[in-house]
Amino acid sequence: DSGVTQTPKHLITATGQRVTLRCSPRSGDLSVYWYQQSLDQGLQFLIQYYNGEERAKGNILERFSAQQFPDLHSELNLSSLELGDSALYFCASSIAGGGRAYNEQFFGPGTRLTVL
Amino acid sequence: SQQGEEDPQALSIQEGENATMNCSYKTSINNLQWYRQNSGRGLVHLILIRSNEREKHSGRLRVTLDTSKKSSSLLITASRAADTASYFCATDRTGGFKTIFGAGTRLFVKA
Repeated sequence: DSGVTQTPKHLITATGQRVTLRCSPRSGDLSVYWYQQSLDQGLQFLIQYYNGEERAKGNILERFSAQQFPDLHSELNLSSLELGDSALYFCASSIAGGGRAYNEQFFGPGTRLTVL
Repeated sequence: SQQGEEDPQALSIQEGENATMNCSYKTSINNLQWYRQNSGRGLVHLILIRSNEREKHSGRLRVTLDTSKKSSSLLITASRAADTASYFCATDRTGGFKTIFGAGTRLFVKA
């Protein structure tokens, strides 16, 4: 158990819908990262937040957005869902914010999103 | 494009054999990490090697880093069936904040 929790575990929805994925980082970790893992694209970095502020952005679509709240939990919002958005979405947390700092990431169990 | 690329994409060996996976990357890095993922589960951090280190050991794991060739290798000695998983390298680029993961090597260890 990494100490990172994600809800829900599974989500099945229809195209065009909007969903929210939630992540609680390990106690004491300030950074939260979101990743998308699909069979054809591998593990894609989406976005990172550090202590409430956006720190780095990856291959995140405009239909997706995220935020980190004062209690450090984070939410990833996916809207206007398409079939291709079906994937495993992982959240990870770390103490540091990246850059030169040692940045071991602890991954949650993931949310499996299926868009029908 | 991905910063790290692993090869081989898949590897099948017998229990007891050694498994070697390689990772290449494109830009200068602060450190390189290896993660393991069991099917459908979250990634688990295995080992980190800094850019000024050449080799590191942790139990049955040995990681090497060659910054001149921009490559790293992960050696798992005396493999076990429980080592069956996907293995990813991840790099923290110099001057950047993102950790970039490669596509992974799928290791299958036959009992």
